[in-house]
This record gives sequence, structure tokens and C-alpha cells, in this order.
Amino acid sequence: EDKVVQSPLSLVVHEGDTVTLNCSYEVTNFRSLLWYKQEKKAPTFLFMLTSSGIEKKSGRLSSILDKKELSSILNITATQTGDSAIYLCAGPLGGYQKVTFGIGTKLQVIP
Amino acid sequence: GAVVSQHPSWVICKSGTSVKIECRSLDFQATTMFWYRQFPKQSLMLMATSNEGSKATYEQGVEKDKFLINHASLTLSTLTVTSAHPEDSSFYICSAGTGGELGYTFGSGTRLTVV
Repeated sequence: EDKVVQSPLSLVVHEGDTVTLNCSYEVTNFRSLLWYKQEKKAPTFLFMLTSSGIEKKSGRLSSILDKKELSSILNITATQTGDSAIYLCAGPLGGYQKVTFGIGTKLQVIP
Repeated sequence: GAVVSQHPSWVICKSGTSVKIECRSLDFQATTMFWYRQFPKQSLMLMATSNEGSKATYEQGVEKDKFLINHASLTLSTLTVTSAHPEDSSFYICSAGTGGELGYTFGSGTRLTVV
């Protein structure tokens, strides 16, 4: 059965800190791993990772996939209070396969 | 714990027919369930929020009469796509939770293809 495990479950940091969120997976027929940010309504798509070792970057956020270790990390540098959210990892999404979401990491950034 | 089962995983139906998708919380009681639709570039759009025993709250632009949502019990919500058309073909995902610190758990999604 497909499994996506995220750690830590919850994290509280001060503004300006750098955080690393972890996601490990056991997914049959791996195609991609995705990161989402959930604040209020629908999760907001952040990154889709398909190739190992290639970092994807968007502003202060970056993510990389390690297919050998079956894991991915999401880095947020110089955190801001607006980064407070639940960060979800999922794989794969779309196509004719089931999607498996991790339970998320709740990040709280305090001033 | 906190498992959400979505059924079916994949359905193909003829244009004009209706399709029902179920979302069940297996080991907890979900006071709130959300229904999402996936759009290109992996974005998820919230369609509606369903609270047990009351009418669902639909997001702007989502047709209530087309996407019927029923949340009759604390463990089951259903989304019925009525008179489906090819443009309704999409990936539909539910999430369920109690709204507390544990957040919400996602189902595994349903791929709907209307031919």
C-alpha cells in the first residue's frame, strides 16, 4: 500500500529562521512527488518533483527529490509569518493512479 | 489513524448520466468534509465544504444543482455529478477532518472520465 510520511508533524520557529520539512514515500509506479501549502481553502501547489537531485526553487522555497532514499525535503529560508501553514506532500497526483497525501507538517512562524 | 477512503478510484461514464463518488472517514468522525477538483498544473480547486447534517457550502462558480453533495453521517459524504458532460472529466478529491489541531486527511481521489 502506498505510503507518504511527513516529519515533523508540527514546528514552531521564529521569523528569519530556516526550516526543512521532510517527506518520505513508498509509492508504486512512482511518477512524481508534489508539495502543497494549505492555509485556508484548497492547497496551493508549490512544486512537482520527478527527477532526483534537481532542486526546484521559488523565492525562499526550494525542494529536492532523492529517489534513492525515497524522500524529499522542502526548505524555507528567512521564514515569515505568512509562511505559517500546513505543508503537504503527495504522490503521485493525477493520471489513473491513486493519490496519497502525507498528513502534513504544521509550521508556525512567530514574530 | 485518520484514514479517508474514496470510492471509486476511477470511473468512466456516458455523457448525460450521473455518477456518485463516496468519501468515508474510516476510523474517525468527520464533522467537515471538503471536495476538490484538480485542474491543470496540479492546482486543486475547492468546490464545496460539507458539514454533517447541514447543506453544503459551495464555492463561487460551482453549480449546486450539478454537483450534489450529501453529508448524511459523520463518516460519509457523497458527491454526485449529475448529467455529466465531457468537461466534467477530472480528478476529484475529498478531505475530511474535525477541524481541530489534527487538520484534515485527504482521500485517494477519483478519476472521472465522461465519454
